[in-house]
Amino acid sequence: NAGVTQTPKFQVLKTGQSMTLQCAQDMNHEYMSWYRQDPGMGLRLIHYSVGAGITDQGEVPNGYNVSRSTTEDFPLRLLSAAPSQTSVYFCASSVGLGYNEQFFGPGTRLTVL
Amino acid sequence: AQSVTQLGSHVSVSEGALVLLRCNYSSSVPPYLFWYVQYPNQGLQLLLKYTSAATLVKGINGFEAEFKKSETSFHLTKPSAHMSDAAEYFCAVSVPGGGADGLTFGKGTHLIIQP
Repeated sequence: NAGVTQTPKFQVLKTGQSMTLQCAQDMNHEYMSWYRQDPGMGLRLIHYSVGAGITDQGEVPNGYNVSRSTTEDFPLRLLSAAPSQTSVYFCASSVGLGYNEQFFGPGTRLTVL
Repeated sequence: AQSVTQLGSHVSVSEGALVLLRCNYSSSVPPYLFWYVQYPNQGLQLLLKYTSAATLVKGINGFEAEFKKSETSFHLTKPSAHMSDAAEYFCAVSVPGGGADGLTFGKGTHLIIQP
């Protein structure tokens, strides 16, 4: 099992550019989430999905879109990048909610100039 | 809604000394509690979790945590720190029946180990 994979590992964008952060898991997990990590802020939930075709907003969804066409993949789209979106982005998956462990990917470090 | 507070953004201990990382939570129902560790340039991984069974929970790498309902705390301890324990530690809380947006992370504590 590869677990949760994310690409790319690093990315530099100019303000206004768009891009997609890829996330895939091979554990057949129904639940997937995107977080951003900023110094002193912990992890904040951007969007999440409870299964293919179902997505919902988290705490900080503005400027991001998601879709879930398959169980395995959960891409995060930045529509028009802004410097405030400079962050480290983590994708996570789990078999269920509540007491279940979240499995995290290695992260994507994004810089927006 | 639930919340979690980690006391101390940075904690420094000497190698071989006791490690104590503090976490207090707020929840209107009995919670599930987690500690995750993040090593430099890596994702988070689970250290241990409390799910209403034993109040003293043992995790990986010699860490343990005790759930104290009266104090609404879930502090993380390790008797003897090792250089390899240097990392960021996150406490998290979720509630039974809560959605994916019901998992709340603390702001993290950076553990520094001095030789």
